Amino acid sequence: NAGVTQTPKFQVLKTGQSMTLQCAQDMNHNSMYWYRQDPGMGLRLIYYSASEGTTDKGEVPNGYNVSRLNKREFSLRLESAAPSQTSVYFCASSSEPMGYGYTFGSGTRLTVV
Amino acid sequence: DAKTTQPPSMDCAEGRAANLPCNHSTISGNEYVYWYRQIHSQGPQYIIHGLKNNETNEMASLIITEDRKSSTLILPHATLRDTAVYYCIVRALYNTDKLIFGTGTRLQVFP
Repeated sequence: NAGVTQTPKFQVLKTGQSMTLQCAQDMNHNSMYWYRQDPGMGLRLIYYSASEGTTDKGEVPNGYNVSRLNKREFSLRLESAAPSQTSVYFCASSSEPMGYGYTFGSGTRLTVV
Repeated sequence: DAKTTQPPSMDCAEGRAANLPCNHSTISGNEYVYWYRQIHSQGPQYIIHGLKNNETNEMASLIITEDRKSSTLILPHATLRDTAVYYCIVRALYNTDKLIFGTGTRLQVFP
């Protein structure tokens, strides 16, 4: 099993450009999440999807949009990138009941110049 | 979700037990204690979780005090590969299903 797969792994954007970060899981999990992690900081929740067809804001949703395309895929879109969005982005998924916690992807390292 | 307090950093000699404390004095009766770790810049990795009984798995042991206001993650024989940031999180099992991470404890295992 691949677990949680994120693409791309690295990306450099110019201010104002848009892009979509892709995330897919093959564990049949209901819930999926997007976090960002700035240097020396903990993870902050951007958006989450408790089940297919639903999405909700997390702690830091401004400047982002999400789409739960199907049960496997949860994408994060930056419509107009800003330098403040330079960060490492992690996707995660989980099942109910959460006997074994979240499974995280390996991250996307985004730099906005 | 209840908040947690962890020391920002700790050191441990290789081969010795690493004991990582966590305070969660406002934990509710239906909230579990979860531990994750993040090695370098990788995605966080689940370690263990518990409600009120002590738990052990192949990675670690979790000791929760009787009043549930604090817990300790124990890595019985720390190795250099255990150098990481360790996060203690409390949440209800059937809550809105999102983990809120704090800043964690940076554990440095030295030779």
